[in-house]
Amino acid sequence: AQKITQTQPGMFVQEKEAVTLDCTYDTSDQSYGLFWYKQPSSGEMIFLIYQGSYDEQNATEGRYSLNFQKARKSANLVISASQLGDSAMYFCAMRLWGEFGNEKLTFGTGTRLTIIP
Amino acid sequence: DTGVSQNPRHKITKRGQNVTFRCDPISEHNRLYWYRQTLGQGPEFLTYFQNEAQLEKSRLLSDRFSAERPKGSFSTLEIQRTEQGDSAMYLCASSLGMGNEQFFGPGTRLTVL
Repeated sequence: AQKITQTQPGMFVQEKEAVTLDCTYDTSDQSYGLFWYKQPSSGEMIFLIYQGSYDEQNATEGRYSLNFQKARKSANLVISASQLGDSAMYFCAMRLWGEFGNEKLTFGTGTRLTIIP
Repeated sequence: DTGVSQNPRHKITKRGQNVTFRCDPISEHNRLYWYRQTLGQGPEFLTYFQNEAQLEKSRLLSDRFSAERPKGSFSTLEIQRTEQGDSAMYLCASSLGMGNEQFFGPGTRLTVL
């Protein structure tokens, strides 16, 4: 069964410090994609970064980078130089290719990140 | 604003009533997804449309739930005879073709009293 595990329910980080949010996944598929989404208190899911299972380089998007370790089945999100606006829920998700082109996402339970001024 | 929109944003209803939510995807996106998110959990997949065809439904989608996308544009999700366990955030997402990211709407928060 496909599963995403996020073991950190909550984290507190000082502003301007770097933070790593953990994510491990379980799948027997060879082809999959890994995503991180941010969910502020307003509720919308904001796409942050994507890593394909065949990508050899770790993905980076501005202050976000994804530390992809395929053998360990981990896809940790690293936020450099954290800002107060980074306070939110963060979800790791895995995309598998199903029948009829369905690319449904399986999400973890999330990590609530709080940035301390 | 050309993002995914959902209406209403909040809905409070009494147990046993029917409710309907609407999702307007990004205009050129042919794929549309519904997810449900309960408190303290990540979103869970409910159903998937490619154009107007509903191609997959989760086991979470009981017979009381029905979704449509009549012209391959907007979609509706109806819940009949609501139960307190239906209280959740209902999220809609759309994407353009295979391999592209899903863009999420702001969600509809349902409270069943």
